[in-house]
Amino acid sequence: ILNVEQSPQSLHVQEGDSTNFTCSFPSSNFYALHWYRWETAKSPEALFVMTLNGDEKKKGRISATLNTKEGYSYLYIKGSQPEDSATYLCAAKGAGTASKLTFGTGTRLQVTL
Amino acid sequence: NAGVTQTPKFQVLKTGQSMTLQCAQDMNHNSMYWYRQDPGMGLRLIYYSASEGTTDKGEVPNGYNVSRLNKREFSLRLESAAPSQTSVYFCASSEARFPNTEAFFGQGTRLTVV
Repeated sequence: ILNVEQSPQSLHVQEGDSTNFTCSFPSSNFYALHWYRWETAKSPEALFVMTLNGDEKKKGRISATLNTKEGYSYLYIKGSQPEDSATYLCAAKGAGTASKLTFGTGTRLQVTL
Repeated sequence: NAGVTQTPKFQVLKTGQSMTLQCAQDMNHNSMYWYRQDPGMGLRLIYYSASEGTTDKGEVPNGYNVSRLNKREFSLRLESAAPSQTSVYFCASSEARFPNTEAFFGQGTRLTVV
């Protein structure tokens, strides 16, 4: 079983704060790392998919980096807004079982005014 | 633009009853997945199907069976429902042949077993 871990479990920030979360995964046999945003009562939606060591991706105020050698990825949110409140999930695929997508337990972000 | 469609959206079962959750995708994806979501536990993989004709166990397969009926459809069956199977179930699909492709999720099925 691919062990994907996320921290912190939850985070409460104020509007305008910048924040970041961590996802760790086994560095051996790495294939791909996904980040999803999951709002309450909705389905998870993909933010980023990264495959190469050193990958950096950005979508508006949200960005992510990938370090496959040490097995971690960071998700950054700059200037948090209340609409950023959601659970952020990361998921990993290992080589050899490239179809199998294993999720971490998520980081629940709450942004207040 | 349907994407991934799950039925039903809600279901209440009595302990011991059986039911099948249906999932269909119209994106011609090879891979399909069933997850369950429980508080504080993120998404846990029940079963997945890498391609038509193949299925594999995930992290929590006990008490479930799956069928990859064709490329579009992947069903999840509870033969004898237990209260521990009360959860929200999500179906997903992706084109796993290409590493940079994301997974797409259905709307979820909220199942309560009493």
